[in-house]
Amino acid sequence: DTGVSQDPRHKITKRGQNVTFRCDPISEHNRLYWYRQTLGQGPEFLTYFQNEAQLEKSRLLSDRFSAERPKGSFSTLEIQRTEQGDSAMYLCASSLQGVYTDTQYFGPGTRLTVL
Amino acid sequence: DQQVKQNSPSLSVQEGRISILNCDYTNSMFDYFLWYKKYPAEGPTFLISISSIKDKNEDGRFTVFLNKSAKHLSLHIVPSQPGDSAVYFCAASEGRSQGNLIFGKGTKLSVKP
Repeated sequence: DTGVSQDPRHKITKRGQNVTFRCDPISEHNRLYWYRQTLGQGPEFLTYFQNEAQLEKSRLLSDRFSAERPKGSFSTLEIQRTEQGDSAMYLCASSLQGVYTDTQYFGPGTRLTVL
Repeated sequence: DQQVKQNSPSLSVQEGRISILNCDYTNSMFDYFLWYKKYPAEGPTFLISISSIKDKNEDGRFTVFLNKSAKHLSLHIVPSQPGDSAVYFCAASEGRSQGNLIFGKGTKLSVKP
């Protein structure tokens, strides 16, 4: 399977704990995105990388959230001191920026439940 | 303030008939639009896109229409099949290569045999 993969698929944690999610993009894609989706809503943009550089961050990305893409391949999203409001589906997407297309392809998501 | 609106939370259609899903936007800077389909426990799957220089784009059973003056787009599925039952999201961006996609809340399509 050469699509976007995310690990873990599900994570249950207690309030106050730190969690880290991993995303592996489609191999030739130079852009990688993180979104968050809550029940009844569409995905909400969090941040994106072009290669190693983090180019944009949403105001939704509080200082408890940090994302990295150290070698321009996989990415991690860490949430420190989790809160119940962080419970959501965290989606990763990747794209190949080109002249004619920059379509984002999504992974299956990581569902986070904060107790 | 929602910049992309899908005002119908759900839609039910008979197999073989046409499904029409609607989307409105408020930001006049949006010039690239996409539709995604999402099954439960999966990530969104890209369906079709349209640039603001066009008013129609077709791919098999899926056609997207864009009315810039009305800030409205629609997705037509003809003929509808039971496997099309899913949540459909409309998304928009400022430019084809902008990172930040703005999504609507989605419309749940049910296609009945």
